[in-house]
Amino acid sequence: DAGVTQSPTHLIKTRGQQVTLRCSPKSGHDTVSWYQQALGQGPQFIFQYYEEEERQRGNFPDRFSGHQFPNYSSELNVNALLLGDSALYLCASSLGGLLAKNIQYFGAGTRLSVL
Amino acid sequence: KNEVEQSPQNLTAQEGEFITINCSYSVGISALHWLQQHPGGGIVSLFMLSSGKKKHGRLIATINIQEKHSSLHITASHPRDSAVYICAAPYGGSQGNLIFGKGTKLSVKP
Repeated sequence: DAGVTQSPTHLIKTRGQQVTLRCSPKSGHDTVSWYQQALGQGPQFIFQYYEEEERQRGNFPDRFSGHQFPNYSSELNVNALLLGDSALYLCASSLGGLLAKNIQYFGAGTRLSVL
Repeated sequence: KNEVEQSPQNLTAQEGEFITINCSYSVGISALHWLQQHPGGGIVSLFMLSSGKKKHGRLIATINIQEKHSSLHITASHPRDSAVYICAAPYGGSQGNLIFGKGTKLSVKP
């Protein structure tokens, strides 16, 4: 039973480019949350997807967008990349949307470097 | 002020020592998460607890909802326990998203 998988593991982009990160949730999970972790900081919540819709959003600009597919996998898109977008992007999956009390399972993350 | 505060930020221990990491939070929550992050980024969920105490192997987590405080204890610490330990609280009382502490970097020396 695969856990949460993210791709790619590492990515290098230049300022102004666009990037797409992918996440496959743990088998049986229907909710995907995305987090940004800057170096030396705790993760910051970006948004959460449930039933193919964005259900909650953190304090991130519209350059950050996402999508959830019918198979519950998810993508995080970042447009017009800035140097400050360099971070580890973590995906977490859980069951049951906003009110779930189930634990979140995290992927290994995608390390994005913007040059 | 961060809504989830951890202490200490850094902790160095000798193998075999008993370790305590503390977490205080200002938001009202129904449960709190303890997570472990190894170098390279992967995060492992250790505990989610809403009251009392939970134990898994050498790890023990306690929470006092009224005092808004939780502790993670490691008994008989081992170098493989070296990692960053993070506590996280659901924002707004729901499980919708998590607010993370900045983490405690633990280094256990042989």
